[in-house]
Amino acid sequence: DAGVIQSPRHEVTEMGQEVTLRCKPISGHNSLFWYRQTMMRGLELLIYFNNNVPIDDSGMPEDRFSAKMPNASFSTLKIQPSEPRDSAVYFCASSRRTANTGELFFGEGSRLTVL
Amino acid sequence: QKEVEQNSGPLSVPEGAIASLNCTYSDRGSQSFFWYRQYSGKSPELIMSIYSNGDKEDGRFTAQLNKASQYVSLLIRDSQPSDSATYLCAVNIERVTFGIGTKLQVIP
Repeated sequence: DAGVIQSPRHEVTEMGQEVTLRCKPISGHNSLFWYRQTMMRGLELLIYFNNNVPIDDSGMPEDRFSAKMPNASFSTLKIQPSEPRDSAVYFCASSRRTANTGELFFGEGSRLTVL
Repeated sequence: QKEVEQNSGPLSVPEGAIASLNCTYSDRGSQSFFWYRQYSGKSPELIMSIYSNGDKEDGRFTAQLNKASQYVSLLIRDSQPSDSATYLCAVNIERVTFGIGTKLQVIP
């Protein structure tokens, strides 16, 4: 079975440019999570969706970040305008909606470098 | 106080020894606890979940949970060089929150 698929795997961009990260969750999973990982702060939850509806976006750092999930098989995380401090690895994860929603399946991540 | 605390390490153990990884959490209402393994440059992978006090064993891995003391630990018996990775503790506190991770180095 295919796992969580993320694209692009690597993105290098200049400050001020728009960045769009994409995610396809595992089929049948109805919870989707976006995490950001840095050496200093570790894995931070940015936002999560349940049945395509955003449930908790309290981790989204500021208005420059936005996320959408137009259907059960696709989500995007957009940063506009990007800044050097946004450089990190962004992970998408999915899970079945059960009480044990800590059982997450991660994609391979998108490594973002903002110059 | 961070919600999930781990020592970032590195923790170095010789091959064949027991590696002990520890994690404390702040919310007494937490009910679900998880250990993820992350190899360098890779994504986190779930290796253990535990929901009730006591021990849970899976092969060479044992997760231990003590809700009264608010800690959860992971023991790796007969450590192998292939176990060298960062181990992330995760707690479901309204949403899944991860610790910073402990880097484990198993020395051949």
